[in-house]
Amino acid sequence: AQSVTQLDSHVSVSEGTPVLLRCNYSSSYSPSLFWYVQHPNKGLQLLLKYTSAATLVKGINGFEAEFKKSETSFHLTKPSAHMSDAAEYFCVVSFGGFKTIFGAGTRLFVKA
Amino acid sequence: GAVVSQHPSRVICKSGTSVKIECRSLDFQATTMFWYRQFPKKSLMLMATSNEGSKATYEQGVEKDKFLINHASLTLSTLTVTSAHPEDSSFYICSASLQGHEQYFGPGTRLTVT
Repeated sequence: AQSVTQLDSHVSVSEGTPVLLRCNYSSSYSPSLFWYVQHPNKGLQLLLKYTSAATLVKGINGFEAEFKKSETSFHLTKPSAHMSDAAEYFCVVSFGGFKTIFGAGTRLFVKA
Repeated sequence: GAVVSQHPSRVICKSGTSVKIECRSLDFQATTMFWYRQFPKKSLMLMATSNEGSKATYEQGVEKDKFLINHASLTLSTLTVTSAHPEDSSFYICSASLQGHEQYFGPGTRLTVT
């Protein structure tokens, strides 16, 4: 069965410190993996995606994620958090381009 | 590129009435469009998948007679919530995909049923 698990429902960091949002997946197929960000009452914005090319993926706003097949993980990182990074983050797994499964989301809080 | 719009962004309707939400792919032709529902502080729940010119495929537990989906063209899909009730109040998000590539999400529609 296919599934995606975001290990933390919320993460709190201080501005200027690193961010780590964790995501694990389960799949019988080679998945495509995405991270989206959602600000309050807004739609989803694509941060980055992995589609079987380079395992280290760089996205927008300084975010990056590393696909680790052996660990079935796709954790999202950023070296230095900004206040504007405070939002909800979703790890998404797609199989065959159609079946899409969303993680439960991780709320990122950034303290001044 | 790959912009998806939704209209309206917010709508308030009375119980028992129907409301239509439009999803448009502005700069590409979407062979497949998806409709999601998001409850407060929750993740997105896929409601249905629609392919242009054919009937939508609904996820288990979603009432197809209540949530009518029409995908009449490669750039437009509509979701009609029929006989709306307060429990239908939610944030509805659509996405569009071109031939199995990644999904592009609309900005969402906040529906409030009074």
